[in-house]
Amino acid sequence: NAGVIQTPRHKVTGKGQEATLWCEPISGHSAVFWYRQTIVQGLEFLTYFRNQAPIDDSGMPKERFSAQMPNQSHSTLKIQSTQPQDSAVYLCASSLAPQGPETLYFGSGTRLTVL
Amino acid sequence: SQLAEENSWALSVHEGESVTVNCSYKTSITALQWYRQKSGKGPAQLILIRSNEREKRNGRLRATLDTSSQSSSLSITATRCEDTAVYFCATPPSGSWQLIFGSGTQLTVMP
Repeated sequence: NAGVIQTPRHKVTGKGQEATLWCEPISGHSAVFWYRQTIVQGLEFLTYFRNQAPIDDSGMPKERFSAQMPNQSHSTLKIQSTQPQDSAVYLCASSLAPQGPETLYFGSGTRLTVL
Repeated sequence: SQLAEENSWALSVHEGESVTVNCSYKTSITALQWYRQKSGKGPAQLILIRSNEREKRNGRLRATLDTSSQSSSLSITATRCEDTAVYFCATPPSGSWQLIFGSGTQLTVMP
């Protein structure tokens, strides 16, 4: 079990460019979560999927951010027209979650730096 | 404002000593989780304690939950340098599956 895999580990983009972050959840887990972590804001919930369906995107900035889960083996977080304030560590987590919130298994994150 | 929040920004102890991280939360909960995050890694769950439990152990770790005072604690005995990490408490809002994390407590264990 390789755990949750996030790629790339580091990404540097120029202001205005697009960034796509990838997450492979643990096989058999039905829930996938995206979080953003910064020194100032801490761990912020962005969005989550259950059985590939988007359930709650209340933490997603309304513009420029989108997330998808086209199949049960991967999810993507896309940021269009990146801005310096988007610089953060983006963490993906998965969970068995058959009955409700349970243990989240996090990947090591993607550190996004917007110049 | 956070649903759950650790009470200290940072703690430091020497190896072998015991330490306790405290957390307070704002609403009724079904469960509270403790996570640890080491540098360069994602958070990893240490203990999940449900609202009908008062204490839960995991090796050198012991979590308590006091629903009357809406507080929880995580105690680590016989600390080791590798316990150095940020410790978070986390709980979901009512009716939600998302976990809301506190700001974290940086624990440093010195040789």
